[in-house]
Amino acid sequence: DTGVSQNPRHKITKRGQNVTFRCDPISEHNRLYWYRQTLGQGPEFLTYFQNEAQLEKSRLLSDRFSAERPKGSFSTLEIQRTEQGDSAMYLCASSPETGGNEQFFGPGTRLTVL
Amino acid sequence: LAKTTQPISMDSYEGQEVNITCSHNNIATNDYITWYQQFPSQGPRFIIQGYKTKVTNEVASLFIPADRKSSTLSLPRVSLSDTAVYYCLVGDWAGSSNTGKLIFGQGTTLQVKP
Repeated sequence: DTGVSQNPRHKITKRGQNVTFRCDPISEHNRLYWYRQTLGQGPEFLTYFQNEAQLEKSRLLSDRFSAERPKGSFSTLEIQRTEQGDSAMYLCASSPETGGNEQFFGPGTRLTVL
Repeated sequence: LAKTTQPISMDSYEGQEVNITCSHNNIATNDYITWYQQFPSQGPRFIIQGYKTKVTNEVASLFIPADRKSSTLSLPRVSLSDTAVYYCLVGDWAGSSNTGKLIFGQGTTLQVKP
């Protein structure tokens, strides 16, 4: 399967701990997005990479959140000092340079902060 | 990005045609209309995109009237497996200055009954 993959699929952590999620996009896609989705809501944009450059960050991405995409391949999203309000599904999506509005989403990482 | 309004939920029965209408009164000249489908515990999946008139693919049809202030996603002969959340999005993703981020609303939860 050459789709977008995310690891881990589920993460349970205690408040105050740091967590890191990984996203492996479709290999030829140079655009990569992170979204967050809470129950009953649509996904909310967090940040966007074009190759290794992080070009846009939502104000939802507080200073406890950091994302990287070294070498323009996989990406990581780290949350420091997790809070219960961080509990959500974290979705990664990728698209080619000219992909327009068709993004390919991974299965997501469900984070539960106790 | 133009705001969209769609019903929160819809019910249907297997074998029926389902039409989900989305309002986007402030759609801009360069905006496209896109629909995504999301099953529980999965990332959204691109279904169809259109600019005007009618677009059809193997999954659905998209009807867009001349004023483009609304659009209708049509799912022919639904089955139980079509039970999902359907999102209508509007935006100018082809614009060179656009990062391509998607702005999701709450979507329409379609429940198909046997």
